[in-house]
Amino acid sequence: DSGVTQTPKHLITATGQRVTLRCSPRSGDLSVYWYQQSLDQGLQFLIQYYNGEERAKGNILERFSAQQFPDLHSELNLSSLELGDSALYFCASSSPPKDTQYFGPGTRLTVL
Amino acid sequence: TQLLEQSPQFLSIQEGENLTVYCNSSSVFSSLQWYRQEPGEGPVLLVTVVTGGEVKKLKRLTFQFGDARKDSSLHITAAQPGDTGLYLCAGDVYNFNKFYFGSGTKLNVKP
Repeated sequence: DSGVTQTPKHLITATGQRVTLRCSPRSGDLSVYWYQQSLDQGLQFLIQYYNGEERAKGNILERFSAQQFPDLHSELNLSSLELGDSALYFCASSSPPKDTQYFGPGTRLTVL
Repeated sequence: TQLLEQSPQFLSIQEGENLTVYCNSSSVFSSLQWYRQEPGEGPVLLVTVVTGGEVKKLKRLTFQFGDARKDSSLHITAAQPGDTGLYLCAGDVYNFNKFYFGSGTKLNVKP
């Protein structure tokens, strides 16, 4: 158990819909990262937050947005969903100085 | 083009064999991590290497960070079916505030 929690574990929805994925970091970790992993693909970095502020941005679509709240949990919002958005979405958290990332169990999103 | 190139992409071996997975880049990394991921689960951290030339051993796994901090290798001795999974290298580029993952090596160890 990494100490990072993600909800829900599974999500099935239809094209055009909007969903919110939630992540709670390990106790004491200030950074939260979001990744997308499509079938048989590597991890694609989406975005990082540090103590409530956006820190780094990867290949995140404009239809996707995220935020980190004062209690440090984070939400990833996916809107106008397309079939190609079906994937595993992972959250990870870390703290300096090493900033090693610890991953949650992921949310499997299926868009029908 | 991936910033971190892993090879091989796939590896299928018999139990008891040795193997090496490589992670290469043209960029210098402040640190590099190796993760193992099982299907449908999140990656699990195996090791972090931070010093050029560093070698770390974790039971049958040996991790090496290149002298120039641009590459790394993972060597598994006497592989077991329980080693099966996706092995990912990852790291933060020196002086560049982003974290990158390699494309992964899918290992299958047959009993």
